[in-house]
Amino acid sequence: NAGVTQTPKFQVLKTGQSMTLQCAQDMNHNSMYWYRQDPGMGLRLIYYSASEGTTDKGEVPNGYNVSRLNKREFSLRLESAAPSQTSVYFCASRRSLGSNQPQHFGDGTRLSIL
Amino acid sequence: AQSVTQPDIHITVSEGASLELRCNYSYGATPYLFWYVQSPGQGLQLLLKYFSGDTLVQGIKGFEAEFKRSQSSFNLRKPSVHWSDAAEYFCAVGANFGNEKLTFGTGTRLTIIP
Repeated sequence: NAGVTQTPKFQVLKTGQSMTLQCAQDMNHNSMYWYRQDPGMGLRLIYYSASEGTTDKGEVPNGYNVSRLNKREFSLRLESAAPSQTSVYFCASRRSLGSNQPQHFGDGTRLSIL
Repeated sequence: AQSVTQPDIHITVSEGASLELRCNYSYGATPYLFWYVQSPGQGLQLLLKYFSGDTLVQGIKGFEAEFKRSQSSFNLRKPSVHWSDAAEYFCAVGANFGNEKLTFGTGTRLTIIP
């Protein structure tokens, strides 16, 4: 029972490089989310996808793009990485819309931008 | 807008002692409230949630939390902590209608001493 799987687990980039973070869930969930976690700031929502074919901006979307490839997969792309994007990125999913349902998290991708 | 405050950045308790982690929220109506735990290098795991009804909710790993509307609080408690409880704990609040936003607190790091 994998739940939410994120790849890669670690990555180091140079400023200006591009990269795609992958996320897949096997729980047949409709909604998926990307967060970033920074020290002292908790988790902040970057983008989310309420269902296959839809995406919406969260709290901190600048510098990122997303693709909901199918129901299982939701990727996050950094087109031109900046040091300010050094962070731990978490993908999450939940069964459907509705804040009364818990989100299930992956183990995170630790990204450093030099 | 909803918000969450976790006033304690770091708490240290002795193994076997009781624990209370504080969480205060701001939201105009009855919120949906969650506590998550994050072990080092891991994603967030749901401990418990409150939607409505009994204000004392039980979670996994022996944790409980009490919703107090008058104090806008949702404090997490455990009668006797174990060394394995050392982790970071996040309180989160969600709106109770049509809103995807789940707002996290900045977290409380728990250290257990023998």
